[in-house]
Amino acid sequence: DIQMTQSPSSVSVSVGDRVTITCRASQDISSWLAWYQQKPGKAPKLLIYAASSLQSGVPSRFSGSGSGTDFTLTISSLQPEDFATYYCQQANSFPVTFGGGTRVEIK
Amino acid sequence: QLQLQESGPGLVKTSETLSLTCNVSGGSISSSSYYWGWIRQPPGKGLEWIATISYSGNTYYKSSLKSRVTISVDTSKNQFSLKLSTVTAADTAVYYCACRRNNGRAFDIWGQGTMVTVSS
Repeated sequence: DIQMTQSPSSVSVSVGDRVTITCRASQDISSWLAWYQQKPGKAPKLLIYAASSLQSGVPSRFSGSGSGTDFTLTISSLQPEDFATYYCQQANSFPVTFGGGTRVEIK
Repeated sequence: QLQLQESGPGLVKTSETLSLTCNVSGGSISSSSYYWGWIRQPPGKGLEWIATISYSGNTYYKSSLKSRVTISVDTSKNQFSLKLSTVTAADTAVYYCACRRNNGRAFDIWGQGTMVTVSS
């Protein structure tokens, strides 16, 4: 199985800050990576697919980059509604695997 | 638009079989190129993929659960199901059904989730 490692596991930031979350795959997954946002008590929401494609309706302050084994999710200017947990997921092959999550907290 | 809704018992006894259904509305479960999946989240923990079934009926399972899990589609009811046998407390989680529609192979539609507790 492909292992997905996210870092950091948590980060404390202020509104307006730039936030970068990384995800590393244990083997080459090309660009088959997705990013999700999850708020407490809610289902995950797709933000980015195919490493850098913005899902319809997602604000442009979210962006994704990377290929192969190293990927990044960037929030250019954090808004109050962005405080949540973020997960990466490899979609290169079954079994599907998720990263452990990154909790973005208010400083 | 496509919507998913999980249903099933909120409490299952240890060693019994957990059965959940995901009702699909606003679209057909037989839609070409769609994949249907189950993901769970134990309390306070991360997301864990369980199983996926393709529009053509191919099934895919998490390795460690494969011997206990079955995913299936009922086209007459426009729903798909999950069965997890011989459950233990470790299977206590919020269970989500989801749909993968896009070319990016990501789950772009999710149900709201249903909490299942396993207890004796």
